[in-house]
Amino acid sequence: KAGVTQTPRYLIKTRGQQVTLSCSPISGHRSVSWYQQTPGQGLQFLFEYFSETQRNKGNFPGRFSGRQFSNSRSEMNVSTLELGDSALYLCASSLEGRIGANEKLFFGSGTQLSVL
Amino acid sequence: DQQVKQNSPSLSVQEGRISILNCDYTNSMFDYFLWYKKYPAEGPTFLISISSIKDKNEDGRFTVFLNKSAKHLSLHIVPSQPGDSAVYFCAARLRNTGKLIFGQGTTLQVKP
Repeated sequence: KAGVTQTPRYLIKTRGQQVTLSCSPISGHRSVSWYQQTPGQGLQFLFEYFSETQRNKGNFPGRFSGRQFSNSRSEMNVSTLELGDSALYLCASSLEGRIGANEKLFFGSGTQLSVL
Repeated sequence: DQQVKQNSPSLSVQEGRISILNCDYTNSMFDYFLWYKKYPAEGPTFLISISSIKDKNEDGRFTVFLNKSAKHLSLHIVPSQPGDSAVYFCAARLRNTGKLIFGQGTTLQVKP
């Protein structure tokens, strides 16, 4: 069974540009979440999508947006990039988005974004 | 507003000894707690978890302790092995939304 796949692995952009990151969840998983990892801040929750609808949202500006397609694949978009957006962006998937004893969260390897 | 805090950015332990990683939280609405391990260039992987109705859960060399009155979570690794060297994140689940809130992470180095 294939894991969570994120593309691309690395990305270099300049300030003001926009970027789109892609995530393919594990087959059968309907919930996809996005996290930003930076040194000292840990994993910060961006948003969660379930059945093509945004179900939860973190405290990020509107420049960060996402969507989910009918096959559960998800994309995240960041517009008007800033230097502080440089980070590892992680996508995670689960069956229904109710993480607990019977449902686990699986992460992809991430996309390392560098904004110059 | 960091609701889940890992106050030690790093920890160094000798192989064979005990590693203790700590995590504090502030929100009483957390009902489930997890630990994830992350190696460089890989995504985090689930390690162990505990429900808020319990105070201890054990899985092999890994034990998680929950002190609800102190709002404190700890992960014990005994004995520590060099392959345990990684970044460890604690996470807490919000009861009402199911959202996971992660800590900043602690980098564990186990020296041979």
